[in-house]
Amino acid sequence: RKEVEQDPGPFNVPEGATVAFNCTYSNSASQSFFWYRQDCRKEPKLLMSVYSSGNEDGRFTAQLNRASQYISLLIRDSKLSDSATYLCVVNIPTGGFKTIFGAGTRLFVKA
Amino acid sequence: GEEVAQTPKHLVRGEGQKAKLYCAPIKGHSYVFWYQQVLKNEFKFLISFQNENVFDETGMPKERFSAKCLPNSPCSLEIQATKLEDSAVYFCASTRDRGTGELFFGEGSRLTVL
Repeated sequence: RKEVEQDPGPFNVPEGATVAFNCTYSNSASQSFFWYRQDCRKEPKLLMSVYSSGNEDGRFTAQLNRASQYISLLIRDSKLSDSATYLCVVNIPTGGFKTIFGAGTRLFVKA
Repeated sequence: GEEVAQTPKHLVRGEGQKAKLYCAPIKGHSYVFWYQQVLKNEFKFLISFQNENVFDETGMPKERFSAKCLPNSPCSLEIQATKLEDSAVYFCASTRDRGTGELFFGEGSRLTVL
């Protein structure tokens, strides 16, 4: 079983739609969680950190459920520019610490 | 510098040749990570450093891969005797704080092994 699992998609949605991605992690000792965005094989960039209480940044909402070991990302009012791959990232404090990436969920927003 | 600088952007090698990639982390960042991303988008962790010390090397295929971060020099990732399956984009990232900090990525080095 992979340490971080995501539905690879692709998700094809029209502009203005609301779309949600989930990510599950296997290590209950996982400490911190992030969503990164990667455009067309470029470098990943941090979209948002994920806090236990849930957090929102404009059209983006991230939630963490430690009991079920999953993280979610909700995008409201999708824009064409949201088309990208969304990577779920988990920090695991084993030994030193390890940052594990999910395989990513591909989103296409259509006009 | 203000950004993670990776060189070269593209590298082509014949099978069995050596490949060496370089990464200059953001100034003040103590932690450096190397990741390999192959076509299916999987990010494979290779190795991390805290300054010049190996922090975690559990992802490294040790028989052909080696990496260093020496003082006052860019970090390097070297692949001896490259194989076709080493073709990938190799990303370097740095961070100031382990565990909770954002990883800042370089633009990656695309290695093609023919």
